[in-house]
Amino acid sequence: GAVVSQHPSRVICKSGTSVKIECRSLDFQATTMFWYRQFPKQSLMLMATSNEGSKATYEQGVEKDKFLINHASLTLSTLTVTSAHPEDSSFYICSARVLPRRGGKNTEAFFGQGTRLTVV
Amino acid sequence: GIQVEQSPPDLILQEGANSTLRCNFSDSVNNLQWFHQNPWGQLINLFYIPSGTKQNGRLSATTVATERYSLLYISSSQTTDSGVYFCAVRESQGGSEKLVFGKGTKLTVNP
Repeated sequence: GAVVSQHPSRVICKSGTSVKIECRSLDFQATTMFWYRQFPKQSLMLMATSNEGSKATYEQGVEKDKFLINHASLTLSTLTVTSAHPEDSSFYICSARVLPRRGGKNTEAFFGQGTRLTVV
Repeated sequence: GIQVEQSPPDLILQEGANSTLRCNFSDSVNNLQWFHQNPWGQLINLFYIPSGTKQNGRLSATTVATERYSLLYISSSQTTDSGVYFCAVRESQGGSEKLVFGKGTKLTVNP
């Protein structure tokens, strides 16, 4: 299957600082990537859809200025948690979908390893 | 939006036992995937199965799209099968590309 690489896997930062998380598709191009957040013992909740060359689409209730998303190339999307606070501590995971072949419509999504953010 | 329900929420098995996990969804879908989340949080792709039946070793899955459910079968379970199993779907309507996840089934396989 396709490989999505996410970095860092774990980060601890101080309150008020910003943290950048990278998501790369290693062996395919992804015009669209997705950022999810997962609280302990809960499911994955979509935060935003990252579109190459255009603005991200955020889900209701997600602060755009808090979670900055940049998708500058077909293989890289970044999520920056700005002015982080302890309540931002969570597991963040990205996903990318392989572009469908000619005539195809829907394809499988692959996920990065996730980033465990702890804000102290 | 589409609703995804998984059952059971928790499942405890003895090694060697078989199990069936279920995923119900409230609307028509054009994508359905099953994942296994390991203890480190990594989501492992198990099946991409918007319809039909697939098998991979001890695991198999069936999606009956017209009746809006999917089943994941685990045979001869092993302790390494422990973890959380998620079902995720993409709605057919509206053109949305996002996957909506169920709440998962936490599987514990005891030796």
